[in-house]
Amino acid sequence: EIVMTQSPATLSVSPGERVTLSCRASQSVTSSLAWYQQKPGQAPRLLIYGASTRASGIPARFSGSGSGTEFTLTISSLQSEDFAVYYCQEYHNWPPIYTFGQGTKLEIK
Amino acid sequence: QLQMQESGPGLVKPSETLSLICSVSAGSISSSPYYWGWIRQPPGKGLEWIGSIYYTGSSYYNPSLKSRVTISVDTSKNQYSLKLSTVTAADTAVYYCARSGSGLPRWGQGTLVTVSS
Repeated sequence: EIVMTQSPATLSVSPGERVTLSCRASQSVTSSLAWYQQKPGQAPRLLIYGASTRASGIPARFSGSGSGTEFTLTISSLQSEDFAVYYCQEYHNWPPIYTFGQGTKLEIK
Repeated sequence: QLQMQESGPGLVKPSETLSLICSVSAGSISSSPYYWGWIRQPPGKGLEWIGSIYYTGSSYYNPSLKSRVTISVDTSKNQYSLKLSTVTAADTAVYYCARSGSGLPRWGQGTLVTVSS
């Protein structure tokens, strides 16, 4: 069973700053890594899939990188609407198995 | 645009079976190669994948829940369902349905199910 570990658990940042979130897999997931944003009372929204491909409609300030066991999500210039919880997830298209990290909360400094 | 909507009781008694339905609109549940899944989130906690099903009925479950979970599909109604047996307070969560496709790009809005007597 693959375990996904995100760090840090909480990050306090100011609007306009650049921020990097980390996600580590207990074993290689190649590039089958997705990132989600979740705001209070809402369903998660897919931001990145395939480790680095932005989903439809996602602003260019969101970027993903990494492969194997180490992944990062970077937000180049934080906007007020970006304060949320972010989850990484490893996925398999076949069979359809998904494992989430525990999340990183971005809060306003 | 594909729409997904969860429905079912918001309150379930301990030891009983939780039952939810996900209704899919503006798209066919028989569309290949998508899987249709359930994910849950206890209040204030993270996301947990429960299981997924293909329109043919092939299903895969989280090993930690496998003994209590059944996911089934009804293509004639364009919906699929979740049954979780012998529930406890630990099963209190928002339950989401979601469609696969390089991650999970489509989600329902979620429905809160509380396990309490």
